Amino acid sequence: DTAVSQTPKYLVTQMGNDKSIKCEQNLGHDTMYWYKQDSKKFLKIMFSYNNKELIINETVPNRFSPKSPDKAHLNLHINSLELGDSAVYFCASSPTSGRRNEQFFGPGTRLTVL
Amino acid sequence: TQLLEQSPQFLSIQEGENLTVYCNSSSVFSSLQWYRQEPGEGPVLLVTVVTGGEVKKLKRLTFQFGDARKDSSLHITAAQPGDTGLYLCAGAPSDDYKLSFGAGTTVTVRA
Repeated sequence: DTAVSQTPKYLVTQMGNDKSIKCEQNLGHDTMYWYKQDSKKFLKIMFSYNNKELIINETVPNRFSPKSPDKAHLNLHINSLELGDSAVYFCASSPTSGRRNEQFFGPGTRLTVL
Repeated sequence: TQLLEQSPQFLSIQEGENLTVYCNSSSVFSSLQWYRQEPGEGPVLLVTVVTGGEVKKLKRLTFQFGDARKDSSLHITAAQPGDTGLYLCAGAPSDDYKLSFGAGTTVTVRA
């Protein structure tokens, strides 16, 4: 049983295109996250949703727009892709209270912008 | 400046040797987490330490939380090739959802 799944696993696209990454969790968690991991493996939070409400919105270009249709799904849409957007994007989920730092990560989506 | 500083950045050892990874901060944490990430996969939670001075063991891995709850260490005894991976410490200094990660320590255990 996959706990946190992401699609696609790999995404190769041209500069200027618009793309989406989808995430689903079947753990019953209320909180979901998007992280970006750069080429140096540094993992940085981008967004977080709790019960479909945006609660963390880090300094991210507004070309990135998260959307949570329900608490089990969190998608990331990126407009006008730039070379610097190339990275691995991870979705994660966690319980709301007490153990929210114990996050479960998806397998990642490797985005390459040419 | 990162909230959590990990050292060393890289560690390459022979199978059977011991190793220690450090995670330090000037901030106090209510808890710290350790994750391991293997190539092509997402980080996987190994342990959470909560109480200052706490020691937790996970088979050959020993995790310690500093008395002041500002630092933590991960010690691996008799390392095996299966221990190879990127080890990440993480924590949130305030009671919010914003988890900060250290830059990670890449551990390579040679057979």
